[in-house]
Amino acid sequence: GAVVSQHPSWVICKSGTSVKIECRSLDFQATTMFWYRQFPKQSLMLMATSNEGSKATYEQGVEKDKFLINHASLTLSTLTVTSAHPEDSSFYICSARVVGQGASEQYFGPGTRLTVT
Amino acid sequence: LAKTTQPISMDSYEGQEVNITCSHNNIATNDYITWYQQFPSQGPRFIIQGYKTKVTNEVASLFIPADRKSSTLSLPRVSLSDTAVYYCLVGASMDTGRRALTFGSGTRLQVQP
Repeated sequence: GAVVSQHPSWVICKSGTSVKIECRSLDFQATTMFWYRQFPKQSLMLMATSNEGSKATYEQGVEKDKFLINHASLTLSTLTVTSAHPEDSSFYICSARVVGQGASEQYFGPGTRLTVT
Repeated sequence: LAKTTQPISMDSYEGQEVNITCSHNNIATNDYITWYQQFPSQGPRFIIQGYKTKVTNEVASLFIPADRKSSTLSLPRVSLSDTAVYYCLVGASMDTGRRALTFGSGTRLQVQP
């Protein structure tokens, strides 16, 4: 199956700093990638849709100026958490869909654990 | 997007068959049903996907009745390593791939020895 990687797998940062998380599709091209956030014991919540070559589409309630998304190439999307605060501490997961063989499948990265102190 | 309803949690013992049912009354004609498994601090892992009737792969079976308003994930002879959260999603339709899957609450399966 298709492989999606994320880097870093975990990061600790101080309040007020910015953190960048990378999401890569390793063996396929993805014109669209998705970013989710998951708090402990909760389900995944879609944050935004990242489109290669265009602006990301954010879900309601997600601050686009705080969560900067850049889809620079067909294999890389980045999420930058700007001026991070402790309430931004969460598990961030990216995914991409492989289209073309019947129903498309959505593949997920391993996630990035962000802790803001 | 179709909303899904699953039991919050289930308990089982090693070696038993586990069936998790998901309701999706508003499923659209073009929507597929997909199940994912998630372990703590890991991304969801694809288990199985189907449109109607029955689908089987090396790890699970998926049963979908004719009206497609529900589906049942069947895990044969579970082991301790099957302890995880299982999500039922609908919407992986044959589109351009620009629409994300929406996760419901999932079912937390606990397998006991």
